[in-house]
Amino acid sequence: DTEVTQTPKHLVMGMTNKKSLKCEQHMGHRAMYWYKQKAKKPPELMFVYSYEKLSINESVPSRFSPECPNSSLLNLHLHALQPEDSALYLCASSQAGSGGGRFFGPGTRLTVL
Amino acid sequence: QQQVKQSPQSLIVQKGGISIINCAYENTAFDYFPWYQQFPGKGPALLIAIRPDVSEKKEGRFTISFNKSAKQFSLHIMDSQPGDSATYFCAASKGGGGADGLTFGKGTHLIIQP
Repeated sequence: DTEVTQTPKHLVMGMTNKKSLKCEQHMGHRAMYWYKQKAKKPPELMFVYSYEKLSINESVPSRFSPECPNSSLLNLHLHALQPEDSALYLCASSQAGSGGGRFFGPGTRLTVL
Repeated sequence: QQQVKQSPQSLIVQKGGISIINCAYENTAFDYFPWYQQFPGKGPALLIAIRPDVSEKKEGRFTISFNKSAKQFSLHIMDSQPGDSATYFCAASKGGGGADGLTFGKGTHLIIQP
């Protein structure tokens, strides 16, 4: 299995809602990532988990809360988002340490009303 | 400060031609250089990657050329096909591509005309 899966594919939420994005991989990768991508821009790193521990937080607002329940799963909890948070949210995984490339999921298209 | 500069921003190539996208980096600690292909509404897909101990890597119609002294690397797509039309991102990281962030170029929108 060489795939990263993400659910849901699309999400529309109001500014007062709480929702979660989910990501799963079964490649045995021990590093997992959340990226945010705006139209016509490269992905921007949000969070990195290495061996289920948060290792990098790129100064992301607290309305985004990551969680890594185990080595295969990664969640991103969303609360009180702003319309400017609308974007494609990408999950990725890779081998930790001296590993290979990032494998990206298909993304969740998030719209905040 | 943009650490990976990618050019051109957009590129139109005739079917069967060679598409060339260039990237330059500043941080000499970078030691892993992947290229990603992204179709609209999809996540980026790892296309090909190179480490600085080799000057060229080829996989099918895709070739990376790497010039360590000039701190530049490029993607060549031979016999370009309409299905290659996509956005291409170069990237760089240190630590062997492991649990560290990738620094992306700004992307090249490639159109292959039939």
